[in-house]
Amino acid sequence: DVQLVESGGGLVQPGGSLRLSCAASGFNFKNYWMHWVRQAPGKGLVWVSRIDPDGEITTYADSVKGRLSISRDNAKNTLYLQMDSLKIEDTALYYCTRSVNASFDSWGQGTLVAVSS
Amino acid sequence: SYELTQPPSVSVSPGQTARITCSGDALPKKYAFWYQQKSGQAPVSVIYDDKKRPSGIPERFSGSSSGTMATLTISGAQPEDEGDYYCFSADRNGDQRVFGGGTRLTVL
Repeated sequence: DVQLVESGGGLVQPGGSLRLSCAASGFNFKNYWMHWVRQAPGKGLVWVSRIDPDGEITTYADSVKGRLSISRDNAKNTLYLQMDSLKIEDTALYYCTRSVNASFDSWGQGTLVAVSS
Repeated sequence: SYELTQPPSVSVSPGQTARITCSGDALPKKYAFWYQQKSGQAPVSVIYDDKKRPSGIPERFSGSSSGTMATLTISGAQPEDEGDYYCFSADRNGDQRVFGGGTRLTVL
């Protein structure tokens, strides 16, 4: 079975950094586009970023450009999200998701990031 | 930045047809995708490529797209269909991806 397990969330002060990880199993990770999607408490889904199978093409939502960086290690079957210069509005549950023909067919359960002083 | 617009809420009685719309300027050129999210759970894909249904999704779920509007239709909505529904698509250039604001479906 496809499994995506996020980790690395926590409480951080404004301006701080975190690195999220998403461990993938049950499929050939290196063949798939992967994305990060976030959801602030009580709010809607927001697309954050995506990365191609080889890790060479990345795209970001305007709200996170220059502060968040997506990467992957295909040898470790792991997706990452490096989060720098964090803002209060980055507080959210962060999901990693697999893309199949542009559709998100598998999701993790999310890792919670709280930015607060 | 690109936006997709959905109604905040839709309410129907059990067995009625629920229609949730999603409006966006790039929809004539880009596919729409629909996700269902129940309270405390991760989203689930219910429609992809405007009108295709993933395996395991009941036939009462269907999708369509015309011009700048995509529509998710639930024919004979059931109480278990309650939840939040989000449309998703790309901008004209295909670089930015975006979710609609979400629609809360109530079936009672």
